[in-house]
Amino acid sequence: EPEVTQTPSHQVTQMGQEVILRCVPISNHLYFYWYRQILGQKVEFLVSFYNNEISEKSEIFDDQFSVERPDGSNFTLKIRSTKLEDSAMYFCASSLFRPPAGGYTFGSGTRLTVV
Amino acid sequence: GESVGLHLPTLSVQEGDNSIINCAYSNSASDYFIWYKQESGKGPQFIIDIRSNMDKRQGQRVTVLLNKTVKHLSLQIAATQPGDSAVYFCAEKPPGANSKLTFGKGITLSVRP
Repeated sequence: EPEVTQTPSHQVTQMGQEVILRCVPISNHLYFYWYRQILGQKVEFLVSFYNNEISEKSEIFDDQFSVERPDGSNFTLKIRSTKLEDSAMYFCASSLFRPPAGGYTFGSGTRLTVV
Repeated sequence: GESVGLHLPTLSVQEGDNSIINCAYSNSASDYFIWYKQESGKGPQFIIDIRSNMDKRQGQRVTVLLNKTVKHLSLQIAATQPGDSAVYFCAEKPPGANSKLTFGKGITLSVRP
């Protein structure tokens, strides 16, 4: 079964530092997403990416965040000047089609801890 | 505002019984709904989906029911097994959204042996 791979599984960073979370989506998928989940809370949409550009983003996804697909396989989320409240699980997902033509496949997540 | 919510935070069922997990959504114009299962330390796993032009959809041991009149979504799991223990989320695609999904808070299903 194809899967979405995320690295690292756990990242600890000091407040104010920049982090890059990495994802390898399923190879033939065309749509890519980042979501986050603060401990015990809802999974929240951050951004979707298609055709090498952002197609949709939430109010959470401000100038502190950026996404990139630097090559044909990786999809990254950069968080600049991290804050304590950025601590969360960050999930990457991908899909072949845009919903409602099927749901996403999620990765196992990167747990970001800002200290 | 738009929201997707769940009636109960936890559900405990006996192994072998049927489980029903309920979800209320507030946006009557949402056109697509998904149930996800999340096991500890893992990402959400797709279970089943349904479009707004359908009332019911069946998968393997799971059925999703959509009642648009009362904006209610439910997930039925037949013959619940210990491996079904997880947090379950409903999610909706709001009107006008390109591909964004709005998730509910999640309900924990605990299966008693």
